[in-house]
Amino acid sequence: AQKITQTQPGMFVQEKEAVTLDCTYDTSDQSYGLFWYKQPSSGEMIFLIYQGSYDEQNATEGRYSLNFQKARKSANLVISASQLGDSAMYFCAMREAGGTGRRALTFGSGTRLQVQP
Amino acid sequence: NAGVTQTPKFRVLKTGQSMTLLCAQDMNHEYMYWYRQDPGMGLRLIHYSVGEGTTAKGEVPDGYNVSRLKKQNFLLGLESAAPSQTSVYFCASSSFQGLHQPQHFGDGTRLSIL
Repeated sequence: AQKITQTQPGMFVQEKEAVTLDCTYDTSDQSYGLFWYKQPSSGEMIFLIYQGSYDEQNATEGRYSLNFQKARKSANLVISASQLGDSAMYFCAMREAGGTGRRALTFGSGTRLQVQP
Repeated sequence: NAGVTQTPKFRVLKTGQSMTLLCAQDMNHEYMYWYRQDPGMGLRLIHYSVGEGTTAKGEVPDGYNVSRLKKQNFLLGLESAAPSQTSVYFCASSSFQGLHQPQHFGDGTRLSIL
């Protein structure tokens, strides 16, 4: 089974509107972390926001917030007031505490967001 | 702040040639990783290291070798390049302190095997 599932290959949003990018995950660990990264067309990976499995409040970072629903195993990224510069590929990723200790990230396949003027 | 630096940024190889991708980080991070990114598949872990002198296999290690002789450097080698290894390669590093520490990525190496 896929550990991270992003079901929206592409999304369009009008400038200044809010958009939600979906992410569901699968893990048997009680302790884990969820990350969102942005990859603009230039190719670099930019860390946006983090949510820990024990965090009771949803994470927020500026215009980014994470809608964390633990029972549903979902960690959706919400971007408020979209800007043209938000056009990029967005990846959801998970780090699990258990197992090998490698603390590597498992990535979803990404969602390409295009912000239209 | 340099962060994570990858060299080269682009490379074209012929099938069967060998090469080494270099990754250097200046954040004193314990953990380092090599990922590959293919269209529609996100990033997949090739090899990783949890400290100087240690390496281990990730999800897609075949055809690659790695070395971590110094804490700040993590090298990825292709002994005999194959067209299936055409990809964008990312190096990343992170502190061992806690799950919340994000991985810091280099800008990637775009590798084409003809």
